[in-house]
Amino acid sequence: GQQLNQSPQSMFIQEGEDVSMNCTSSSIFNTWLWYKQDPGEGPVLLIALYKAGELTSNGRLTAQFGITRKDSFLNISASIPSDVGIYFCAGRPGGTSYGKLTFGQGTILTVHP
Amino acid sequence: SAVISQKPSRDICQRGTSLTIQCQVDSQVTMMFWYRQQPGQSLTLIATANQGSEATYESGFVIDKFPISRPNLTFSTLTVSNMSPEDSSIYLCSVEGGVDYEQYFGPGTRLTVT
Repeated sequence: GQQLNQSPQSMFIQEGEDVSMNCTSSSIFNTWLWYKQDPGEGPVLLIALYKAGELTSNGRLTAQFGITRKDSFLNISASIPSDVGIYFCAGRPGGTSYGKLTFGQGTILTVHP
Repeated sequence: SAVISQKPSRDICQRGTSLTIQCQVDSQVTMMFWYRQQPGQSLTLIATANQGSEATYESGFVIDKFPISRPNLTFSTLTVSNMSPEDSSIYLCSVEGGVDYEQYFGPGTRLTVT
């Protein structure tokens, strides 16, 4: 099946630092989604991207849909302790697979106060 | 976004038994999905459940092991049958909603099989 490579696997940063993580795919996606999962909870949708080249912000979060449609990145600016969690990218190919998401392996973020 | 609840939130079960997980949505949705998240791992799609039709299973998942019901547009169940310790995971339901069919997740059911 399709694979998404998400990096880095984990990050340890100081409060106030900026964070960047990305996902790459071997095939084209029509939608990229970024989720955050806190311990014991389901993933929460942060940002959705639908067009190649699209740059979208949600507060301190910014995500971009790569121009090749095979990659996406998520930036978090001025990190705070509540940013701690696991961040997942997910891609949807569209067409006959409309609805099915493929998830990256996740990035574990630790923020030291 | 849709509000999704799951029951039970967690359970500890003995091997060889079965557990049925319920997913309830506060609005009518066409497509519902069931995912498995093994300890420390990412999410893997088990099956897609559309109301009024048989669930569609992904490679590696079969109906005898994970029977699914979808009796109406707001409810679905996933049964984990004849459980073994390898079935210990978080099971999540999700729905498509919003203008652009984003996927939203329930809080998950944490299953431990002993």
